[in-house]
Amino acid sequence: KAGVTQTPRYLIKTRGQQVTLSCSPISGHRSVSWYQQTPGQGLQFLFEYFSETQRNKGNFPGRFSGRQFSNSRSEMNVSTLELGDSALYLCASSLAFSPVDTQYFGPGTRLTVL
Amino acid sequence: AQSVTQPDIHITVSEGASLELRCNYSYGATPYLFWYVQSPGQGLQLLLKYFSGDTLVQGIKGFEAEFKRSQSSFNLRKPSVHWSDAAEYFCAVGGILTGGGNKLTFGTGTQLKVEL
Repeated sequence: KAGVTQTPRYLIKTRGQQVTLSCSPISGHRSVSWYQQTPGQGLQFLFEYFSETQRNKGNFPGRFSGRQFSNSRSEMNVSTLELGDSALYLCASSLAFSPVDTQYFGPGTRLTVL
Repeated sequence: AQSVTQPDIHITVSEGASLELRCNYSYGATPYLFWYVQSPGQGLQLLLKYFSGDTLVQGIKGFEAEFKRSQSSFNLRKPSVHWSDAAEYFCAVGGILTGGGNKLTFGTGTQLKVEL
């Protein structure tokens, strides 16, 4: 069974631009979560989608948004990029909206904002 | 404040030596507890998790963790470390206490270096 895939793996943008990151969960998984990882702030939860609905949201500004499609694939968007948005963005998928199910993480998208 | 703490930022052990990574949490009750490992350039992999029941949890790659309610701790152990265990280890909490669903709150991580 294929794992969680994230595209692109690396991305370079400039301040003020916007970016869209994509995540394809493991087949059959309906929940997708997104995390931001930086050296200064560590791993921080962005949001979780289940059945095309945002079920949980972290403490990030409105510039960070996401969505989930009917096939469970998810995208996150960051508008008006700032230097501090440079980070590794990790996506994780699980079967359902429940901590009992194991979450599987993708390799991440490395975003650099210049 | 609610938090999960990993007191050790870096740990170096010799190959074959035993390992213990510390994790403490501060919540009103016992959250769900997890240990993840991240190798360079890779995502996170779940080593083990604790929800309830037996306080000694066995995981993958020969790791185990012990939940101690009195100390609010969930320390990760391995009897004999292999060079391939060099990575960053994250303790995390989840469940309804942290927001529900699959939301995880992570500690700051412990970077493990293994000397040959």
